[in-house]
Amino acid sequence: GENVEQHPSTLSVQEGDSAVIKCTYSDSASNYFPWYKQELGKRPQLIIDIRSNVGEKKDQRIAVTLNKTAKHFSLHITETQPEDSAVYFCAASIRQGGSEKLVFGKGTKLTVNP
Amino acid sequence: KAGVTQTPRYLIKTRGQQVTLSCSPISGHRSVSWYQQTPGQGLQFLFEYFSETQRNKGNFPGRFSGRQFSNSRSEMNVSTLELGDSALYLCASSWSWGPNEQFFGPGTRLTVL
Repeated sequence: GENVEQHPSTLSVQEGDSAVIKCTYSDSASNYFPWYKQELGKRPQLIIDIRSNVGEKKDQRIAVTLNKTAKHFSLHITETQPEDSAVYFCAASIRQGGSEKLVFGKGTKLTVNP
Repeated sequence: KAGVTQTPRYLIKTRGQQVTLSCSPISGHRSVSWYQQTPGQGLQFLFEYFSETQRNKGNFPGRFSGRQFSNSRSEMNVSTLELGDSALYLCASSWSWGPNEQFFGPGTRLTVL
């Protein structure tokens, strides 16, 4: 199948707190997992990605973890700031017909309250 | 480098009409993917083109079609528009096909009345 489930759909945190968004995927052959941030009225932009040969990747306040056995991956944002408020999308590569495509989750609207 | 551009940015059409959207990828990128974005549904994959060939297709009816030109620019066409086709259509380019970073354009907001 080609399904990516993302939770929660909305998340509200206080400035300085951590935020965690979780995704599960169905295709055990998936090997690329990007996270995109989309601010209101703007285009999605890649914030971090991870490949299946790595269990964790960190970039300043953002980290992604991958559990291939359980087929889930998570985005962790520490020390949240108001500018982190946006919709976040996870995605997983799905093999189809000799090629691969990205299947996206439905998004998490993160609100960071000052 | 200039980013991904899409034209037009906004379109209003009526049911039954057809529409063509255009996407110019980042210079040097040869893969262009198209997505439909609607509230609550996230980004749904339409198709991917690489070197003028459709490499992958999503689960959309045949009314949705696309093509890619030798300069990597891509167009998508929707015929016999339905109300449910109202959405933001995003294209994304990458240097090659397959799982790698995609750079999105600003999108074309299509409204079908």
